[in-house]
Amino acid sequence: DIVLTQSPDSLAVSLGETATINCRSNRSVLYRSNNKNYLAWYQQKPRQPPKLLIYWASTRQSGVPDRFSGSGSVTEFTLTISGLQAEDVAVYYCQQYYNSPRTFGQGTSLEI
Amino acid sequence: EVQLVESGGGLVKPGGSLRLSCEASGFSFTKAWMAWVRQVPGKRPEYIGHIKSSSDGATTSYTDPVKGKFSISRDDSRRTLYLDMANLGVDDTAVYFCVTYGSLPDYWGQGTLVLVSA
Repeated sequence: DIVLTQSPDSLAVSLGETATINCRSNRSVLYRSNNKNYLAWYQQKPRQPPKLLIYWASTRQSGVPDRFSGSGSVTEFTLTISGLQAEDVAVYYCQQYYNSPRTFGQGTSLEI
Repeated sequence: EVQLVESGGGLVKPGGSLRLSCEASGFSFTKAWMAWVRQVPGKRPEYIGHIKSSSDGATTSYTDPVKGKFSISRDDSRRTLYLDMANLGVDDTAVYFCVTYGSLPDYWGQGTLVLVSA
């Protein structure tokens, strides 16, 4: 199975500031034939299912605010949240869908 | 609007069995590949298996921790996905989510809690 490691495990950022979460894969998740990275980012709030924010490493899901952005390729990826708002307090997971089974990083807890 | 509604969770003794259901609406269920994902509170989600569409043979795949214990099936006429769980252990305690499985974006149900305890 592909192993995803996120850093940091937890993060405290002030309102209006920028949060950066990293995700490293132990294998490439870039499919060379279509040049797409099979990497997604999810947000999870208590007692809710994970919510998809970003897929193909940098494509924002419909309805997700543009303060959320994803970058990276191959094995190194980043989720950036600009202009942090109180509602962004959550746990964030990266997920690879390059291989079955799909796997998640261990999560990063974001606090204000 | 896509909706996935899980049911069937609850308290079960170690060694017991349980069937979870997931009713789907708002999308073409017959064409969809579907998966079950579980999450121990405070831990990362874990895919446990998926089922292809009936037109793709409805073949199933499972992760090692549940292979031989869990079985995924579907009833397209009822637009329902099932997860049959047997020989449950305390480490199967988790919230179980029904999820569409294929190209992203995906859709998740709200989950149903399975608590395995004596």
